[in-house]
Amino acid sequence: NAGVTQTPKFQVLKTGQSMTLQCAQDMNHNSMYWYRQDPGMGLRLIYYSASEGTTDKGEVPNGYNVSRLNKREFSLRLESAAPSQTSVYFCASSGGGRQAWNGELFFGEGSRLTVL
Amino acid sequence: GEDVEQSLFLSVREGDSSVINCTYTDSSSTYLYWYKQEPGAGLQLLTYIFSNMDMKQDQRLTVLLNKKDKHLSLRIADTQTGDSAIYFCASSGGSYIPTFGRGTSLIVHP
Repeated sequence: NAGVTQTPKFQVLKTGQSMTLQCAQDMNHNSMYWYRQDPGMGLRLIYYSASEGTTDKGEVPNGYNVSRLNKREFSLRLESAAPSQTSVYFCASSGGGRQAWNGELFFGEGSRLTVL
Repeated sequence: GEDVEQSLFLSVREGDSSVINCTYTDSSSTYLYWYKQEPGAGLQLLTYIFSNMDMKQDQRLTVLLNKKDKHLSLRIADTQTGDSAIYFCASSGGSYIPTFGRGTSLIVHP
């Protein structure tokens, strides 16, 4: 049981380049999330998808786009990367949407992105 | 919006108890969580407490909730070097999406 799988694990980009972070979960979860983690800032929500076919902005959506490709997959795209987007990105999923039994989030191992 | 605050660092000796504190602002929080993040890994749920409870104990872990003061604490008894990690407090209020604190780095000295 793989849980939440993110690719790539590491990436170095130049300013202005684009890239897509991929995320897939095999737990049949309804909801999926993208967070970024910066030192001393904790986790900040970028975008989330409550269910297949819906996406919503989180706390820090500027400079990002997302696609909920199907129930399993939720991708995060940086159209024109900036040094301020250097961070560790985490994908997460949870079970029952608004009726999740305790709201537990299951996290991937993270994607470490450096923008030069 | 919802805010969750916790201190950034805690240093303890192996065998001592560790207490990590957290305050939150959303009085409608239904669940309160403690997540653990080990180096180079994602977060994993350590324990959680439902808002109508005052205390929850799970082996070496004790969670205390003071709903009046919106204060949550995590006590780890007999702290081991393997407990060294970042501990995140989180709360879920009207939205089912948890809001995370900035994380407390627990350093355990032999």
